[in-house]
Amino acid sequence: AQRVTQPEKLLSVFKGAPVELKCNYSYSGSPELFWYVQYSRQRLQLLLRHISRESIKGFTADLNKGETSFHLKKPFAQEEDSAMYYCALESTGNQFYFGTGTSLTVIP
Amino acid sequence: KAGVTQTPRYLIKTRGQQVTLSCSPISGHRSVSWYQQTPGQGLQFLFEYFSETQRNKGNFPGRFSGRQFSNSRSEMNVSTLELGDSALYLCASRQAQGKTEAFFGQGTRLTVV
Repeated sequence: AQRVTQPEKLLSVFKGAPVELKCNYSYSGSPELFWYVQYSRQRLQLLLRHISRESIKGFTADLNKGETSFHLKKPFAQEEDSAMYYCALESTGNQFYFGTGTSLTVIP
Repeated sequence: KAGVTQTPRYLIKTRGQQVTLSCSPISGHRSVSWYQQTPGQGLQFLFEYFSETQRNKGNFPGRFSGRQFSNSRSEMNVSTLELGDSALYLCASRQAQGKTEAFFGQGTRLTVV
């Protein structure tokens, strides 16, 4: 069965420190993986997707098929990174499966 | 370009009632998906419509239904409301099925009392 797991509900880091938000998935096919972000009082929006292999707002994520992981990383956290982050998987049937989310707080 | 619009923003209903939520996608987007967001379960997929046809359905009871109109606007209906249906219901639209970015609305907050 398809599943996306984000083991950390809450994560706090100091400004300037590295941050890693974990995401593991289970899926029998070739998944499309995404990170979505929700800033306070804003709507959910796409942060990045693994197929584009880009860095957005300093964040990167590498798909590790061996470990079935898609962790989100940033070398130096900023206060404006404080938000709710969701990892999501899109199946070949175009259905999205979201993790339960990680609330990131960057401490000044 | 206007974003995804969901109405109403807030709703309070009593148990046993039914409710209809509306979603207007971004102009030109033909795919509309619905999600239920709760603190404990996160975002759970309800269903997806594309060109007026339901293409995918999540694991929700038959009390949850939806439809899409020829202008791509979509409605979601929940009948015989239960307390556990209290949640934020999100709608997302995409230009086409798959491999395109999904844009989310701000959601409808449903409270069942």
